[in-house]
Amino acid sequence: SQTIHQWPATLVQPVGSPLSLECTVEGTSNPNLYWYRQAAGRGLQLLFYSVGIGQISSEVPQNLSASRPQDRQFILSSKKLLLSDSGFYLCAWRGRRDGNTIYFGEGSWLTVV
Amino acid sequence: GENVEQHPSTLSVQEGDSAVIKCTYSDSASNYFPWYKQELGKGPQLIIDIRSNVGEKKDQRIAVTLNKTAKHFSLHITETQPEDSAVYFCAASTSNFGNEKLTFGTGTRLTIIP
Repeated sequence: SQTIHQWPATLVQPVGSPLSLECTVEGTSNPNLYWYRQAAGRGLQLLFYSVGIGQISSEVPQNLSASRPQDRQFILSSKKLLLSDSGFYLCAWRGRRDGNTIYFGEGSWLTVV
Repeated sequence: GENVEQHPSTLSVQEGDSAVIKCTYSDSASNYFPWYKQELGKGPQLIIDIRSNVGEKKDQRIAVTLNKTAKHFSLHITETQPEDSAVYFCAASTSNFGNEKLTFGTGTRLTIIP
């Protein structure tokens, strides 16, 4: 069966510090991968998606970047965090054989102080 | 692009009663409509979905209806239980294989009153 792992689960970072959130998917190959952000009490906003290694599409202009160095690995990064980067970050995947269904990881809480 | 509106934002229901959450979408090309349940501090979990070639789908106490003409779809939970308390999100997307993107509603916080 397929699983998705996302870490760290919780992170408190000072303004101006770098960020790296990692996500890996197991049990599938060549998945579509996504990073979403959820502000407190808000809906889910798509930040990045990837259809293959090295292929990244950005949905909104922002202080963050994404990379996909391996087929089932997706990384969310920032060189210098802003207070507004605080939120709940969710990695998600969709398998090539699963139609439209998107599955989410458990999320990472980021607090920028 | 697609725009999904969800109502109500909060909903309190007596245990055992039914709950209904409604969503509307703007893009007539959208043809896939999932519903997710999110418990506090966790990632959203898919609970049911429907495709545009179907008007209704049911899974035990959960059902979803779709009206393509009016561009709205609804989640129905019957015989509600305390464990149904969570935030529920609707979403819509087009079946553009390889470039799948979901647009989410803003969520409904459902509270089941014992």
